[in-house]
Amino acid sequence: DAGVTQSPTHLIKTRGQHVTLRCSPISGHKSVSWYQQVLGQGPQFIFQYYEKEERGRGNFPDRFSARQFPNYSSELNVNALLLGDSALYLCASGPPFQQRDGYTFGSGTRLTVV
Amino acid sequence: TQLLEQSPQFLSIQEGENLTVYCNSSSVFSSLQWYRQEPGEGPVLLVTVVTGGEVKKLKRLTFQFGDARKDSSLHITAAQPGDTGLYLCAGPPWGAQKLVFGQGTRLTINP
Repeated sequence: DAGVTQSPTHLIKTRGQHVTLRCSPISGHKSVSWYQQVLGQGPQFIFQYYEKEERGRGNFPDRFSARQFPNYSSELNVNALLLGDSALYLCASGPPFQQRDGYTFGSGTRLTVV
Repeated sequence: TQLLEQSPQFLSIQEGENLTVYCNSSSVFSSLQWYRQEPGEGPVLLVTVVTGGEVKKLKRLTFQFGDARKDSSLHITAAQPGDTGLYLCAGPPWGAQKLVFGQGTRLTINP
């Protein structure tokens, strides 16, 4: 079975531009979460979607948005990019927290804003 | 404010030595997870601890969840160079629908 698939793997954007990152969860998983990992830090929670509905949102500005499609894949959109948005963006696939199972992460998208 | 504090942040030891990494919080967690992350990859789940006081063993790795569900530890016996990596603790704060991570412990095992 394929794991969590993220695309693209690397991306370079200019300040002020817009970016769309994509994630396909493990087959059968209905939950997708997005995290931002700045160099030298642990991942920070951005969004969680379950069954196409937003179930949680972290402390990120409205420039960050996401959605989940009927096939449970997801997109993370970031508008008006800032230099500080440079980070590894991770997608996590898994059952809801209530099942107390761990999450499976993709390899991430490395975004560099110049 | 860091909800989960890991210590130490960096650790470099010789092969064969033992080590312990700590993950502490002032908040209660319904469960805590430990992940290991290699450069250029996403975190990989090692274990989930659920019950206060729980101890889980994974070969040379021993994980413990504090009785009050506010802290956890990872102990590695006879460390090997293959144990090198970034170790992250994470968990959903009680009643919250999100996963919070510690800042990580970067472990280097020298041959």
